[in-house]
Amino acid sequence: QVQLVESGGGLVKPGGSLRLSCAASGFTFSDYYMSWIRQAPGKGLEWVSYISSSGSTIYYADSVKGRFTISRDNAKNSLYLQMNSLRAEDTAVYYCARSLAAALCELDYWGQGTLVTVSS
Amino acid sequence: SYELTQPPSVSVSLGQMARITCSGEALPKKYAYWYQQKPGQFPVLVIYKDSERPSGIPERFSGSSSGTIVTLTISGVQAEDEADYYCLSADSSGTYGVFGGGTKLTVL
Repeated sequence: QVQLVESGGGLVKPGGSLRLSCAASGFTFSDYYMSWIRQAPGKGLEWVSYISSSGSTIYYADSVKGRFTISRDNAKNSLYLQMNSLRAEDTAVYYCARSLAAALCELDYWGQGTLVTVSS
Repeated sequence: SYELTQPPSVSVSLGQMARITCSGEALPKKYAYWYQQKPGQFPVLVIYKDSERPSGIPERFSGSSSGTIVTLTISGVQAEDEADYYCLSADSSGTYGVFGGGTKLTVL
């Protein structure tokens, strides 16, 4: 069965860095686009970043551009999000999700999420 | 930047029909997707490509599209349908996806 398991969240000070991981199993990881979506406490969903199946196409929301870097390792069935220069407003649950290239917005499987808290 | 607009809340009596709308300029050209999120849980896809229902999603969930507005309809609302619902669609170029602000469905 398809599984996406995020890890790496935690408490970090403003200006600090954190690296999130998403371990995938139960499907051919290299066939799928992968995304990071976040949800601030009590707020809605925000698409943070996505990466194509080969890694050649990458998108970042304006709110994280220049600070976050998405990457993937198809050999390890893993997705990553390197988050630098963290701000209080980056505090959120971060979810990874998969979709196909032909249907970018069809996020059919999600992980359970990992909480990132940016606070001094 | 592109925006999708949803009503913040919708209330419906148990067993009645609920309709949640989502409006956006690119919706005539781009498919909409609907996600259900219950408290403390990750979102679940309930409608894809405007009106298709994934396997395992009850038949009472349906979707429709008319111009710049897409609608999620829940017929015969059950207590377990109380949740937040988000629409998602791509901008006109298909470069990125945007979530609507979400609609809290309350079952009375």
